[in-house]
Amino acid sequence: DGGITQSPKYLFRKEGQNVTLSCEQNLNHDAMYWYRQDPGQGLRLIYYSQIVNDFQKGDIAEGYSVSREKKESFPLTVTSAQKNPTAFYLCASAGTGELFFGEGSRLTVL
Amino acid sequence: QKEVEQDPGPLSVPEGAIVSLNCTYSNSAFQYFMWYRQYSRKGPELLMYTYSSGNKEDGRFTAQVDKSSKYISLFIRDSQPSDSATYLCAMSKTGTASKLTFGTGTRLQVTL
Repeated sequence: DGGITQSPKYLFRKEGQNVTLSCEQNLNHDAMYWYRQDPGQGLRLIYYSQIVNDFQKGDIAEGYSVSREKKESFPLTVTSAQKNPTAFYLCASAGTGELFFGEGSRLTVL
Repeated sequence: QKEVEQDPGPLSVPEGAIVSLNCTYSNSAFQYFMWYRQYSRKGPELLMYTYSSGNKEDGRFTAQVDKSSKYISLFIRDSQPSDSATYLCAMSKTGTASKLTFGTGTRLQVTL
C-alpha cells in the first residue's frame, strides 16, 4: 500500500540527547515536510524539502536538522539544542498540493 | 492575534445531527482552503479542498468559504460516531503545501 511510514511511534529521550525520527514514503512524491503539533497550537512547519539533496527551514527550525539523500526518505534529528522537544511530530509528503501525512511520532523528553 | 482562529471545542452532538465547524482568518490573501480530519494519535487526512469563495459538497460534507467575511465552514450532515475526531482548517495564498497555515483544530464528539 502507498503511504508514509514514520518510526518509532513513541520515543523517550533524556535531556541532552539527540534523537532521529524516521520518515519513509513510497508515493513517489518530490516534496516532504516535517511538522510539530502541540496542544492548543496549529501544526507548525519545521523543515521541508522539495527535491533530493535540498531542504529549507520552516517556521520553527531551531534545534532541528534534516537530510534528504533519497527521494523516499526524510529523517528529522531533534538535537539537544531544542529547548522544548516534547511533542507529536508529523511527516508529510505532497505531489501536486495535497499533503499526505504519516501517523506521527510522539517524543517525550524525561 | 493568530492568522487563523478555530474554536478548540470539544463540540458534542448526538448522532444524526448537523455539525458546523468554523474558522476565521485575518489574511485576505488566502485563496486556498482545506479541511483535515485527524483521529486520535493519527496523522491528519484531507477531507475537502476549495479555491476562493463558494461551496463544495462531497457526500455528507460541505465546505463553504466566505472571503468577504474571512470565514470558512465545514458542515457534516447526518453525523456518525465515526466522525468523532479533530477537524483542522488550513489555508494558503499560493496552494503550495509549504505555505499552509493551520488552525488549532476543533475536537468533535458524536454520541449515540
